[in-house]
Amino acid sequence: DTGVSQDPRHKITKRGQNVTFRCDPISEHNRLYWYRQTLGQGPEFLTYFQNEAQLEKSRLLSDRFSAERPKGSFSTLEIQRTEQGDSAMYLCASSSGRYYEQYFGPGTRLTVT
Amino acid sequence: GNSVTQMEGPVTLSEEAFLTINCTYTATGYPSLFWYVQYPGEGLQLLLKATKADDKGSNKGFEATYRKETTSFHLEKGSVQVSDSAVYFCALSQGGANSKLTFGKGITLSVRP
Repeated sequence: DTGVSQDPRHKITKRGQNVTFRCDPISEHNRLYWYRQTLGQGPEFLTYFQNEAQLEKSRLLSDRFSAERPKGSFSTLEIQRTEQGDSAMYLCASSSGRYYEQYFGPGTRLTVT
Repeated sequence: GNSVTQMEGPVTLSEEAFLTINCTYTATGYPSLFWYVQYPGEGLQLLLKATKADDKGSNKGFEATYRKETTSFHLEKGSVQVSDSAVYFCALSQGGANSKLTFGKGITLSVRP
């Protein structure tokens, strides 16, 4: 299977702890995106990379959030000092091609207790 | 800014019924339009897309036509099956440097045997 993969699939953490998620895109895709989805809502954009460059960050991405994509391959999303409001599904997608259709991974479900 | 509005749900239909799910958008220029589907317990999957006015996207019996004059991209299927039960999301992307997806809230479709 050469689709987008994410790790871990589920994460339970206590408020105030730091968490890190990993995304491995489809190998030939140069763009990588992070989204957040809460129950009953559509995904909301957080940030995206073209190769290793982070080109856009949403206002949703507070200072506690940081994302990296070293060498333009996998990406990590770190949340520092987690809050209960951070509980959500974190989705990663990758794309390539003229019209930039995006292919999504299974997501990481974060629960902050 | 960009926005996508989907009709309120949920929608419950009997097998073999005709399906229409409404989607309208607000955006500058000519965005690309997408429908994504999320089956129970699975990640988001691209269902179909259209990249310019009057284009018709189609896949698995579903169709949607890009209507610039009404800024709409309604999803239709002539005869739904139980296996079509899922959450459906309409989304748009401006492409280029602004390639992030903007999603609607999604609508849950349940198909009864």
